[in-house]
Parts: sequence; structure tokens; C-alpha cells
Amino acid sequence: DSGVTQTPKHLITATGQRVTLRCSPRSGDLSVYWYQQSLDQGLQFLIQYYNGEERAKGNILERFSAQQFPDLHSELNLSSLELGDSALYFCASSVDPRDEQFFGPGTRLTVL
Amino acid sequence: AQKVTQAQTEISVVEKEDVTLDCVYETRDTTYYLFWYKQPPSGELVFLIRRNSFDEQNEISGRYSWNFQKSTSSFNFTITASQVVDSAVYFCALSEIPPGGKLIFGQGTELSVKP
Repeated sequence: DSGVTQTPKHLITATGQRVTLRCSPRSGDLSVYWYQQSLDQGLQFLIQYYNGEERAKGNILERFSAQQFPDLHSELNLSSLELGDSALYFCASSVDPRDEQFFGPGTRLTVL
Repeated sequence: AQKVTQAQTEISVVEKEDVTLDCVYETRDTTYYLFWYKQPPSGELVFLIRRNSFDEQNEISGRYSWNFQKSTSSFNFTITASQVVDSAVYFCALSEIPPGGKLIFGQGTELSVKP
């Protein structure tokens, strides 16, 4: 158990819908990262927050947004969902951006 | 641009064999970090090791060892006396220097250890 929690574990929804994925980092970790894992793209970095502020952005679609709240938990919002958004979404956290990242168990999103 | 290449897509060995997973990286940064993660069939990503670009010492942890060679931009991972529980997908990753920290992953090597 990495100490990073993600909810829900599984999510099945329809095209065009909007979903919110939630992540609670390890106690004491200020940095939160979101990654997407799909068969065709592999593991791709989406976005990073550090102590509430956006720190880095990857290949994140405009339909996706995220935020980190004062209690340091983070949410990833995916809207106007398409079939291609089906993937495993991981949240990771670290004390500092230079430190190793610990990953949550992931949320498996299926868009039908 | 930063890139990580794991040329071996799948490796199959018999229990107790030694196996080496290759990782080659590209970066223009002089300071960077390299990582290995394990993804067992259950799906979670498990941290194995982090290596600073200034530290080229090889590391051993039990049956696991890592060989970092800056001259060839490689960070290879060897499992000695493999076990069935080692069956997983192994990812090598490169981290850019702060203020970022995002991980750039290779495509992964699926290791299958047969009894």
C-alpha cells in the first residue's frame, strides 16, 4: 500500500458525459501528479500540482482539468468523454518534485 | 526532447534464471533522475529505485541490481534467480529537473517467469 488513495476504483460511463476522479496524496506529500495509461499511448503525464498550484502540464486535453485543494487532495475532471478516453488514470504524490513518486491504485475509466 | 526506450517488449524466462531489462534514455539536462517501477498483474505501480544523474554507483537490493552508465545513457535492471512473483511489467522512467518532476516513461517490458 503506497498510501495514495484514489476513488472510484472503476467508472463506467457513456460518451459525452463528465466524471470526476479523486486522489488523496500520502500524508506530508505536497506534490500531486496525474497520469493516463492506455494500450496505445502507454503511461503519459497529464498534469502536476504542488501545494495547490499548477506546476507542470503534459499532453492534457482541453476537455480535462484538475485542481488541488487546500487539504492537498486533488481532482481530475474529464468532460465530453469520448471512447478514446477509456484508460487507467493514476494519481501519484511526492514530498518534493525531486523525490520518488508513489502511485495510487488507479481509476479504470470505461467510456461506452 | 527527453525520451526513454525499453527495446524489449516481452521477456520470458524460467524460474531461477537471471534476467536483465534494458533501458536507454535521452535528455539534454545535466541533472536528472532515473527510476524503475513495477506493475504486477493487479495493476498498481510500485516504486523500485531512484537514481540521481550524478551518482553512477551500481546498486544492489536483494535479488535486484541496477547498472547506471552515463556514457551509454543506459540504466539497466537485473533480477537474479528470478521467481514467479517477479512476473510483471517493468517501466523505466526519466524525470526532468525541478520545478517540474513529471516522469517520462518507457513503453515497459513485460516479464514472464515460468515455474
